Amino acid sequence: EAGVAQSPRYKIIEKRQSVAFWCNPISGHATLYWYQQILGQGPKLLIQFQNNGVVDDSQLPKDRFSAERLKGVDSTLKIQPAKLEDSAVYLCASSLVGGSNYGYTFGSGTRLTVV
Amino acid sequence: RKEVEQDPGPFNVPEGATVAFNCTYSNSASQSFFWYRQDCRKEPKLLMSVYSSGNEDGRFTAQLNRASQYISLLIRDSKLSDSATYLCVSRGRDTGRRALTFGSGTRLQVQP
Repeated sequence: EAGVAQSPRYKIIEKRQSVAFWCNPISGHATLYWYQQILGQGPKLLIQFQNNGVVDDSQLPKDRFSAERLKGVDSTLKIQPAKLEDSAVYLCASSLVGGSNYGYTFGSGTRLTVV
Repeated sequence: RKEVEQDPGPFNVPEGATVAFNCTYSNSASQSFFWYRQDCRKEPKLLMSVYSSGNEDGRFTAQLNRASQYISLLIRDSKLSDSATYLCVSRGRDTGRRALTFGSGTRLQVQP
């Protein structure tokens, strides 16, 4: 079974630039999550989708971050404009219907450095 | 106060040692608990679920104390390959919002 695919693996941008990350979840997984992991910390949820609808985006800095999941499959996370403190690993995860831990799988992440 | 708190370590132990990690959570509505393992520059991976009755998987034993809101992980006979960061994780009761809440992790370094 293919895992959660993310791209790019690494990205370096200057502050105030824009960046986008892409995630393709495991086939059939209705729930998709984006987490931000700053060095030395645990992952923090940014947004949760159930199919193509947003379930929880309470911790998403909406003035600069946006995410979408068109057609309930792939998802993109965008930062515009980036700040130095956005340097982190952005992890995408997917699971079967949101109530299940079965099959909860993380992608390898995108490591973002803002200079 | 963080919702899930862990001692960041590092814990430096010799091979063969027994090591215990502790974690506390503040949200009494949390329903499920897990330990995840994260290797350097890798994604987190589920190590084991945690139950009030305790559960064991080989050299690993996890325990949940709901009254004290306390979770533990015990590793016996440590191996070099156990070196990693161990993340304590909770999940809420709301069936719609089942995202994971992570602690900051405890780093373990097993030395030869």
